Amino acid sequence: QKEVEQNSGPLSVPEGAIASLNCTYSDRGSQSFFWYRQYSGKSPELIMFIYSNGDKEDGRFTAQLNKASQYVSLLIRDSQPSDSATYLCAVYDFYNQGGKLIFGQGTELSVKP
Amino acid sequence: GAVVSQHPSRVICKSGTSVKIECRSLDFQATTMFWYRQFPKQSLMLMATSNEGSKATYEQGVEKDKFLINHASLTLSTLTVTSAHPEDSSFYICSANKDRGRNQPQHFGDGTRLSIL
Repeated sequence: QKEVEQNSGPLSVPEGAIASLNCTYSDRGSQSFFWYRQYSGKSPELIMFIYSNGDKEDGRFTAQLNKASQYVSLLIRDSQPSDSATYLCAVYDFYNQGGKLIFGQGTELSVKP
Repeated sequence: GAVVSQHPSRVICKSGTSVKIECRSLDFQATTMFWYRQFPKQSLMLMATSNEGSKATYEQGVEKDKFLINHASLTLSTLTVTSAHPEDSSFYICSANKDRGRNQPQHFGDGTRLSIL
């Protein structure tokens, strides 16, 4: 059974610090990885996607992918209280032609002022 | 701006009522849309994949006669919760891929909070 694992947290960091969110996946054939942010009571919002090994940076966010170790991470630099949310890691089901995403259970991030 | 529109945002109704939720792709055609359900403090649970012009593909354990999906056009998919009961109360969210091809990001609607009294 294909799985995506995240530490549910909560992860608490002080304002201005780097928040590191991790995700592992079970399907070695997976090729596409996504990070979504979900505020309480709201729907998920796409933050980053990454397809290739290495780092991808977008503003304060950096996604890191290591296919050999089957993990993907999200770094948030200069964390702000407004970053407090649940972060969902998602991986495409490689064998599903319909493009189904497999989500982790999410990591709750709390940034303390 | 938003690429997927979902309506209504909130529904409160009596037990036994059928509720229809609409999901529209804005400015693009979506041959495939997805319907999720999320209970409090839990992650997203995929209910079904909605395919334009054909039957939806339901995930294991999801009652297709309970949750009717219609994807009659390339920009609209609807989810009807038939004869809803309090246990159907949940946050329902749709999504679609804006760009063609596999591995493209899914964009989510704002969700519909359904409360059955």
